[in-house]
This record gives sequence, C-alpha cells and structure tokens, in this order.
Amino acid sequence: KAGVTQTPRYLIKTRGQQVTLSCSPISGHRSVSWYQQTPGQGLQFLFEYFSETQRNKGNFPGRFSGRQFSNSRSEMNVSTLELGDSALYLCASSSDRGTEAFFGQGTRLTVV
Amino acid sequence: AQTVTQSQPEMSVQEAETVTLSCTYDTSENNYYLFWYKQPPSRQMILVIRQEAYKQQNATENRFSVNFQKAAKSFSLKISDSQLGDTAMYFCAFIQNFGNEKLTFGTGTRLTIIP
Repeated sequence: KAGVTQTPRYLIKTRGQQVTLSCSPISGHRSVSWYQQTPGQGLQFLFEYFSETQRNKGNFPGRFSGRQFSNSRSEMNVSTLELGDSALYLCASSSDRGTEAFFGQGTRLTVV
Repeated sequence: AQTVTQSQPEMSVQEAETVTLSCTYDTSENNYYLFWYKQPPSRQMILVIRQEAYKQQNATENRFSVNFQKAAKSFSLKISDSQLGDTAMYFCAFIQNFGNEKLTFGTGTRLTIIP
C-alpha cells in the first residue's frame, strides 16, 4: 500500500508569488490534514479536509487555503508569499475510524 | 486548549544504552490518543508508538515503550538498546479524536546516538 505522497519535494519561490502544494493520501483515507513546520514555531496545524469539506482550520491568514478533490487528493495554496512562509509543509492522512495519522515526506518551501 | 510540553530540547546517549524522553500534556478530556513521532533528517514524520488513554496498559513496540501516567498527564518514551538509526527529532503529540480534531505537537527533543 503506497504511503502519503507530497509533491513537489522542494520549491523556491519569490516574495509575492503564489504556490500550490499537492498531497495524495493513502488509498481509502478520506481525511487529509496540513501542518506547517518551522524552527521558530514548531508544528502548526493549517487545516483538515474530509470528503471534500474543510472540517477544521488553524490560525493562519486567509492567504493560506486548501481544497480536496473527490479522489481525496488535496492541495494547499499560499498566495502573496512572504519570507516567513518558508517552512516544511507536511500532509497527513487518516482513515474514517482512524487512530493514527500517516505523514508524507513534506514539501520544503523557500521564499526568497 | 490542549498543550503538549517536551522539556528536553536535546539529549545524547551512547549506542546500546537506554534513554527516556519526557512529555507532559494538559487536557480536561478523559478519552484521547497520545503519540510519539520520529523525524529523521529525511524529514518524514514516522509514527513510533501510540497510546489510547482508556487503556491502562503501557504500549510497547519492540525496543520502544511508554510510561503513561494518566493522572499525572505524563507520557514518556523509553528507547532500549539504542541504535545509530534512532538519531532523530522526537515529537510527542496529542489528539482527542480523529473525527474533528487536530494533532497538537510538543516542541520536540533532538536525540543523538553516539557510536
């Protein structure tokens, strides 16, 4: 069974640009969550999607958005990038009756 | 709001020795899940061990075991016979349930196994 797949692995963007990150969950998992990891703030929850609906949202500005498709794949978008958005973005999936979250390898975003 | 505290930013231990990483948490709930995740330099977050709060028995996975003290809200990880591959960041995490909640992580402990 394939694990959680995140693409791309690395991204370099310029301030003011926008970026889209992708996450394919484990087959059969309908819940996808996104986390931002930085040295200063640690791991912070962005949002969670289940069956194409956002169920839960963290405390991030509106520049951060996401969506989920009917095949459970999820994308997150960051518009008007700022230097502080440089981080490792992690995606996790869990099953409907899940008791654990499985993480992808992350996307390392660098904003210059 | 739930909080998770890891008071040891860094630890190091000789290979083959035993090491214990500490974690405390704060919640008013009675049922929840606790986890230890390992994040090696490859950056992928790997689940090491899981504990369900309603289970009194401490979880064990090969060389990894936990000491779960529910009343004290303590959840420590013991690594026995440590190996070089155990070198990583270790995060303690809490979730009340997976239906509509987020994982709350501690700040992590950087563990180095010395050959």
